[in-house]
Amino acid sequence: SQQGEEDPQALSIQEGENATMNCSYKTSINNLQWYRQNSGRGLVHLILIRSNEREKHSGRLRVTLDTSKKSSSLLITASRAADTASYFCATDAKGTYKYIFGTGTRLKVLA
Amino acid sequence: EPEVTQTPSHQVTQMGQEVILRCVPISNHLYFYWYRQILGQKVEFLVSFYNNEISEKSEIFDDQFSVERPDGSNFTLKIRSTKLEDSAMYFCASREGVSAEAFFGQGTRLTVV
Repeated sequence: SQQGEEDPQALSIQEGENATMNCSYKTSINNLQWYRQNSGRGLVHLILIRSNEREKHSGRLRVTLDTSKKSSSLLITASRAADTASYFCATDAKGTYKYIFGTGTRLKVLA
Repeated sequence: EPEVTQTPSHQVTQMGQEVILRCVPISNHLYFYWYRQILGQKVEFLVSFYNNEISEKSEIFDDQFSVERPDGSNFTLKIRSTKLEDSAMYFCASREGVSAEAFFGQGTRLTVV
């Protein structure tokens, strides 16, 4: 498997529910970022979490990082139809400065 | 809020032609990147650029590709002799420092016919 793999690949929930997406990676990292991409559009930066951080919040978003398990999760609380998008994690391995993207989770929030 | 801008938003080119994709990174950023995303697939790293030179490149970034920062604001990706399989969305990104967020442009959709 490749650096940065999200699961589930697809997630469908009702508006108001929470959505949790997970990302696993293989090598030690400097940072991990989460991005959102609406269909055919650009990548919108959501949150950056550094390797020495365990949790960060931004509005309805909560990101955790477990470096011992090489995994991160993105929680979107009280989801809205507008949250429908693909969500990607991107990691930069120690010793490099490039971000490698995961395969993404397609989230669909039903109104 | 500062943003990365890319032009054009969509380009159609004949196979074998050269294309130049343009990007204006955020002004105080020092690290610049090109990525591509073939329709329905993952976002792939192409190249990173720092201090006026390539710092890393992927296997995809072969002799067909080149990057340039011709002045203090623009960052370009040139694709020579385009192939059908070069059709993709190309994203430019920049960041201020090695521990900073990477911000992406809206992308250029390249269609090779």
